[in-house]
Amino acid sequence: KAGVTQTPRYLIKTRGQQVTLSCSPISGHRSVSWYQQTPGQGLQFLFEYFSETQRNKGNFPGRFSGRQFSNSRSEMNVSTLELGDSALYLCASTPGDRNTGELFFGEGSRLTVL
Amino acid sequence: AQTVTQSQPEMSVQEAETVTLSCTYDTSESDYYLFWYKQPPSRQMILVIRQEAYKQQNATENRFSVNFQKAAKSFSLKISDSQLGDAAMYFCAYQLNNDMRFGAGTRLTVKP
Repeated sequence: KAGVTQTPRYLIKTRGQQVTLSCSPISGHRSVSWYQQTPGQGLQFLFEYFSETQRNKGNFPGRFSGRQFSNSRSEMNVSTLELGDSALYLCASTPGDRNTGELFFGEGSRLTVL
Repeated sequence: AQTVTQSQPEMSVQEAETVTLSCTYDTSESDYYLFWYKQPPSRQMILVIRQEAYKQQNATENRFSVNFQKAAKSFSLKISDSQLGDAAMYFCAYQLNNDMRFGAGTRLTVKP
C-alpha cells in the first residue's frame, strides 16, 4: 500500500505570491489533516477534511485555505505569501470517520518564501 | 482549547541507557487519546506509542513505555536501552474526536 504522498517536496516562492500544495492520502483513508511545522512553533494544526468537508480548523488567517476532492486527495493554498510562511507543511491521513488512532504522515512540502 | 506542553526542548542520552521525555496537557475531557510520535531527520513522522485515557494500564511497545498520570494530566515517554536510531524529534500529541494537537517537541540526541 502506498503511503501518503505530498507534492511538491520543495519549493521557493517570493512574498506576495500564492502556492498550492497537494496531498494524496493512503488508499481508503477519508480524512486528511494539514500541519505547519516550524522550528519555533512546532506543529501547528491548519485544518482537517473528511468526505470533502472541512471538519476542523486551526487558528490561521484566511490566507490559508484547503479543499478535499471526491477521491480524498487534498490541496492547501496559501495566498499573499509572507516570509513567516516559510515552513514544512505536513499532511496526514487516517482511515475512519472517528479518528481514534494513528495519523499517517507524508514527508512534507518544504516551502521557502524569499 | 486543548494544549500540550513539552518542557524539554532538548535531551541527550548515552547509548544503552534510559531516558524519559516529559509531556503535560490541559483538558476538561475524560475520554481522549494520547500519542508519542517520532520524527527522524528524514522528517517523516511515525507513531511510537498510543494510550487511551480510559485505560489505567500504561502502554508499552518493546523498549518504549509511558507513564500516564490522568489526574496530573501527565504523559511521559520512557525509552529503555537507547539506540542510535532513537535519535529524533519526539512529539507528544492529544486527540479528542477528530482533533489532534501536538506539543512543541523534544529533540533527543543519543551519544555512542
